Amino acid sequence: DTAVSQTPKYLVTQMGNDKSIKCEQNLGHDTMYWYKQDSKKFLKIMFSYNNKELIINETVPNRFSPKSPDKAHLNLHINSLELGDSAVYFCASSQIMTSHYNEQFFGPGTRLTVL
Amino acid sequence: AQSVSQHNHHVILSEAASLELGCNYSYGGTVNLFWYVQYPGQHLQLLLKYFSGDPLVKGIKGFEAEFIKSKFSFNLRKPSVQWSDTAEYFCAVNARSSNTGKLIFGQGTTLQVKP
Repeated sequence: DTAVSQTPKYLVTQMGNDKSIKCEQNLGHDTMYWYKQDSKKFLKIMFSYNNKELIINETVPNRFSPKSPDKAHLNLHINSLELGDSAVYFCASSQIMTSHYNEQFFGPGTRLTVL
Repeated sequence: AQSVSQHNHHVILSEAASLELGCNYSYGGTVNLFWYVQYPGQHLQLLLKYFSGDPLVKGIKGFEAEFIKSKFSFNLRKPSVQWSDTAEYFCAVNARSSNTGKLIFGQGTTLQVKP
């Protein structure tokens, strides 16, 4: 009965490769997010989708492309991986359209290591 | 632009000591305020939240926080910490007027409780 799940939990890959991280939520929320947590633990929003529509697109290299096949899923595809992409990527979800109270629920994170 | 500042980057306490972690935000409008906790190797979990009403809010595990609007602050407190409170603590703000649910996080505070 996991609320927000991500796969894989760990991802080790070589520079230049392309990889994807998947996220699924079973909370019935309308909005999903991707955050990046760097080595200093700082959390920064990358993208957000509301009902499959992109609503937040922060200053992120366009090697990063989110895709939302439906409102329960938000995947993150990264092309041409670089060393600086090494981080923990967290997915989150919340219900924003019927509530002003944006409580976000986070997934377990994906630790990406680029060698 | 909105920002969140956490004053203490690394706090070391002995068990049973009292805790107060500072959080200030910059935004002139109405906000939702959150404290999240990240235990070692785990995902973010919500400790407590403030939306409206009583500015003193109580969360899980004996934590509380006080919203002081005039000071743009939302400090986290616990009267007596335990070793199991060792974790990373994040303050976060969401502008109520935002229709994207965007959360701005502080830099985080590492709390180390010595047994």
